[in-house]
Amino acid sequence: DADVTQTPRNRITKTGKRIMLECSQTKGHDRMYWYRQDPGLGLRLIYYSFDVKDINKGEISDGYSVSRQAQAKFSLSLESAIPNQTALYFCATSETGGSADTQYFGPGTRLTVL
Amino acid sequence: DAKTTQPTSMDCAEGRAANLPCNHSTISGNEYVYWYRQIHSQGPQYIIHGLKNNETNEMASLIITEDRKSSTLILPHATLRDTAVYYCIVRGGGSNYKLTFGKGTLLTVNP
Repeated sequence: DADVTQTPRNRITKTGKRIMLECSQTKGHDRMYWYRQDPGLGLRLIYYSFDVKDINKGEISDGYSVSRQAQAKFSLSLESAIPNQTALYFCATSETGGSADTQYFGPGTRLTVL
Repeated sequence: DAKTTQPTSMDCAEGRAANLPCNHSTISGNEYVYWYRQIHSQGPQYIIHGLKNNETNEMASLIITEDRKSSTLILPHATLRDTAVYYCIVRGGGSNYKLTFGKGTLLTVNP
């Protein structure tokens, strides 16, 4: 969805390096999420944020941190990258309210840690 | 959230309707059925969702059985670009944000 952008789209880095993945959205949504996807597996939730002052851990937050700089921006950091963090990373957004909370995904960042 | 069961793979001829089934026999009364698809490592794309009634939008139709234990996603005129993994997800409404993606169904649309 072009309303949700992620940078970079591809990144190769070395073990021990600090990496930041960025997500921006123009949908005006207040909720944002970070997921990772490993080959042959479904998406797993890393962190989520329901508004600028709200940050929550997901299923697999160890080794990751996040920053919600503004309603439209949500960054994911790997403080010291390790090879098993090699994966596809997706950002998603959704709007609070209503009975169903539909998430819209960005195009993804392919991260390789050597 | 209720668990879903989908076939691993399906084939469909281009121009024909693609009917993708999903079983969710343990679904609760307040849980929605969502469908997403993922085209080769791209971000998952929202297709449609429903609670009880059948739903239709510009992409697809969702048919939910009366007992809500199963559903079918219908792509009325499949094209080659519809080749993707389709995920059926059951999720609670309101503040229950979590989407649990299983293995989905790989739909291959053949010329």
